[in-house]
Amino acid sequence: NAGVTQTPKFQVLKTGQSMTLQCAQDMNHNSMYWYRQDPGMGLRLIYYSASEGTTDKGEVPNGYNVSRLNKREFSLRLESAAPSQTSVYFCASSESRQGDRGKQYFGPGTRLTVT
Amino acid sequence: AQKITQTQPGMFVQEKEAVTLDCTYDTSDPSYGLFWYKQPSSGEMIFLIYQGSYDQQNATEGRYSLNFQKARKSANLVISASQLGDSAMYFCAMRGQFFGQNFVFGPGTRLSVLP
Repeated sequence: NAGVTQTPKFQVLKTGQSMTLQCAQDMNHNSMYWYRQDPGMGLRLIYYSASEGTTDKGEVPNGYNVSRLNKREFSLRLESAAPSQTSVYFCASSESRQGDRGKQYFGPGTRLTVT
Repeated sequence: AQKITQTQPGMFVQEKEAVTLDCTYDTSDPSYGLFWYKQPSSGEMIFLIYQGSYDQQNATEGRYSLNFQKARKSANLVISASQLGDSAMYFCAMRGQFFGQNFVFGPGTRLSVLP
């Protein structure tokens, strides 16, 4: 069981470039999430997918798009990267969004720098 | 709106002693869950413990216990017999069952265990 995997681990982009962060989970979880973590702050939700076929905005969705490709995979796309998007990005999944089964399992993170 | 407050940016504890990390929350949801995560310097987010708002007893997981005081809206994490490997950032998070089903994270507390 690999849990939640993310690629790449590190990325440097120039302003205006685009890229897609990939996330996959092998726990048969229904819900998946993308967060960003900035220094001195907790995690902030960018987008989530409560179940396969649905996606919704979180707290900080501007500048991002997502695709829930299938039950396993949930990707995050930056169409035109900006320095303000320099951050560590975490993907997470959970069995459901209720109670103890709502606990989230996190991937190792992607450290993104936009110059 | 839901909010998590962690008022201790940094804490020190002597090895083998117990330590309490504070967490207070605000929500209008009648049912909710509280979670604690550990983030070591390697960066991954590790789930520690869960407390449901209607659970009769305080949650325990090995050396971790949650001091849940519903009327005071506090969910403090207690780590007993601290170990050097406990040095990390600790995040408190909550999720409502009805009004706000997404995780809201606090800013975190950095715990340093001294030998």
